[in-house]
Amino acid sequence: AQRVTQPEKLLSVFKGAPVELKCNYSYSGSPELFWYVQYSRQRLQLLLRHISRESIKGFTADLNKGETSFHLKKPFAQEEDSAMYYCALKTSYDKVIFGPGTSLSVIP
Amino acid sequence: DGGITQSPKYLFRKEGQNVTLSCEQNLNHDAMYWYRQDPGQGLRLIYYSQIVNDFQKGDIAEGYSVSREKKESFPLTVTSAQKNPTAFYLCASSIAAGAGEQYFGPGTRLTVT
Repeated sequence: AQRVTQPEKLLSVFKGAPVELKCNYSYSGSPELFWYVQYSRQRLQLLLRHISRESIKGFTADLNKGETSFHLKKPFAQEEDSAMYYCALKTSYDKVIFGPGTSLSVIP
Repeated sequence: DGGITQSPKYLFRKEGQNVTLSCEQNLNHDAMYWYRQDPGQGLRLIYYSQIVNDFQKGDIAEGYSVSREKKESFPLTVTSAQKNPTAFYLCASSIAAGAGEQYFGPGTRLTVT
């Protein structure tokens, strides 16, 4: 079955602390994974994708096929990082499956 | 702030009434999607359309209907058959079917009493 799991519904970290939002997926094919972010009163938007191997707003994510994970990391959390984060998996059926989301709260 | 627009932002309806949510895009995207966003459940796909005059059911299509008569427009009708229609509805588009990057509208919050 194709599925995306994000084990933490809520994650609180202090400003300046490292942050890791976990994402695991289940997919038999070659996965294409994304992280989307929704800031308060803003639209859901793409944060980064594993194919481009980029760092956006200090966030990185590495695809680990052995562990079927795509965790999102940032070495030093900022208050403006507080948001809802969704991990997403593109399937071969032209659909994108979203995880349940993790709400990140950065404490000043 | 073009891109994708959804109207209205808030919508209230009485139980038993059908209601149509609007979604328009000016990105010239082929594919469009409707999601339902509920707390703790993420985004669940209702319907999607890969091209004009074509659409497919998503994971939770029961009680919903769509049309795609124009490339720019993908309205969603929530029918009285939808058992739990109160939710936040998101419309999205992508340049083509299968493109992982989707562009989202601001959403419509529907409340049915």
